[in-house]
Amino acid sequence: ETGVTQSPTHLIKTRGQQVTLRCSSQSGHNTVSWYQQALGQGPQFIFQYYREEENGRGNFPPRFSGLQFPNYSSELNVNALELDDSALYLCASSLPTVKNTEAFFGQGTRLTVV
Amino acid sequence: AQSVAQPEDQVNVAEGNPLTVKCTYSVSGNPYLFWYVQYPNRGLQFLLKYITGDNLVKGSYGFEAEFNKSQTSFHLKKPSALVSDSALYFCAVRVANSGYSTLTFGKGTMLLVSP
Repeated sequence: ETGVTQSPTHLIKTRGQQVTLRCSSQSGHNTVSWYQQALGQGPQFIFQYYREEENGRGNFPPRFSGLQFPNYSSELNVNALELDDSALYLCASSLPTVKNTEAFFGQGTRLTVV
Repeated sequence: AQSVAQPEDQVNVAEGNPLTVKCTYSVSGNPYLFWYVQYPNRGLQFLLKYITGDNLVKGSYGFEAEFNKSQTSFHLKKPSALVSDSALYFCAVRVANSGYSTLTFGKGTMLLVSP
């Protein structure tokens, strides 16, 4: 196990609703990234938080937002859910933005939008 | 744009035989390459990484990967496959941006090891 925990593990929401996903990072890791993994695809980068601030963002609309707390845990919020938001959402923690460090992933949250 | 490609959607191998899962990359500058494995309904587990040094990298569960700069490849290998190795494997490259770095993943290769 990596020490990165995500909650909930599964979630079903209706189109148009809002959802919050949570992540606790591995001890000592102050950088948290979120990824979306659609069925049959590799994970796609959503955004990254470092020291409670967003310091990088992928090609996702503003209705995807996040927070990082002083204990380095993080939330991913998605507003106005669409059917295409159905995916596995992965949280990864790592040491600060250093190229040679691996990221450690949680088990993911499976979001289904109906 | 920096990217990785996994040309095979699925690899089939018999237990006890050697396995190879292919990955090619396209990056500017020095590549920082990773392999992850994903079991059903689970997150990604780190297997190994190439940063610099020896072209043959050893990782978890008996896996290794060979970095080939001239062919821009980073193939995952194991001398003797186990049924329990059956899973989805992802190759990734760490991409540097302005003030942060991220992982860019391939589409994944499903490895099926038959008894």
